[in-house]
Amino acid sequence: GAGVSQSPSNKVTEKGKDVELRCDPISGHTALYWYRQSLGQGLEFLIYFQGNSAPDKSGLPSDRFSAERTGGSVSTLTIQRTQQEDSAVYLCASSPDRGSGSPLHFGNGTRLTVT
Amino acid sequence: QQQVKQSPQSLIVQKGGISIINCAYENTAFDYFPWYQQFPGKGPALLIAIRPDVSEKKEGRFTISFNKSAKQFSLHIMDSQPGDSATYFCAASWGGSRLTFGEGTQLTVNP
Repeated sequence: GAGVSQSPSNKVTEKGKDVELRCDPISGHTALYWYRQSLGQGLEFLIYFQGNSAPDKSGLPSDRFSAERTGGSVSTLTIQRTQQEDSAVYLCASSPDRGSGSPLHFGNGTRLTVT
Repeated sequence: QQQVKQSPQSLIVQKGGISIINCAYENTAFDYFPWYQQFPGKGPALLIAIRPDVSEKKEGRFTISFNKSAKQFSLHIMDSQPGDSATYFCAASWGGSRLTFGEGTQLTVNP
């Protein structure tokens, strides 16, 4: 039973570059979430997938952010033209289903630093 | 209305003491209230959760107290240990909605 796997664990990029963050959820989990955690802050919701569709992408901060999920499994969060304010830990979580009370299983995150 | 407000921001207790973290919410539709524990460099992990049909839930040294009329819930850690030092997040959701998290409490338990 592997948990949620995220890669890379750390990413340093120059302002203006594009980055891709990857999430491998727990096998069989249909729901997948991306959250962002800034230093000393809470968890900010970005986007939610049920299967391959994203019924809730209300948390994406700008059109520079996009995400996709393929095969009901792996998800990629892409940030274009990165800015310094994008620096944060990006957390992915998966859940067996969408229902309230279904626990989220988080990965250890990708720490993104934009210089 | 989607906010969950958490306090205190940081908490220091002595080993063996009781740690208490409080959360308040506005959305009366919330029907699921979990607490997550996060160690440095790790993702949050579910610690304990409660639904509003009960006023208290206990699992080992961890207890959630829930006050529906006041729209508040709290986490109590009895006999706090240095290994409990972590950041704790309360959260809430309803139906199939996403979890809304509080701002987090950094707990330090001194030996």
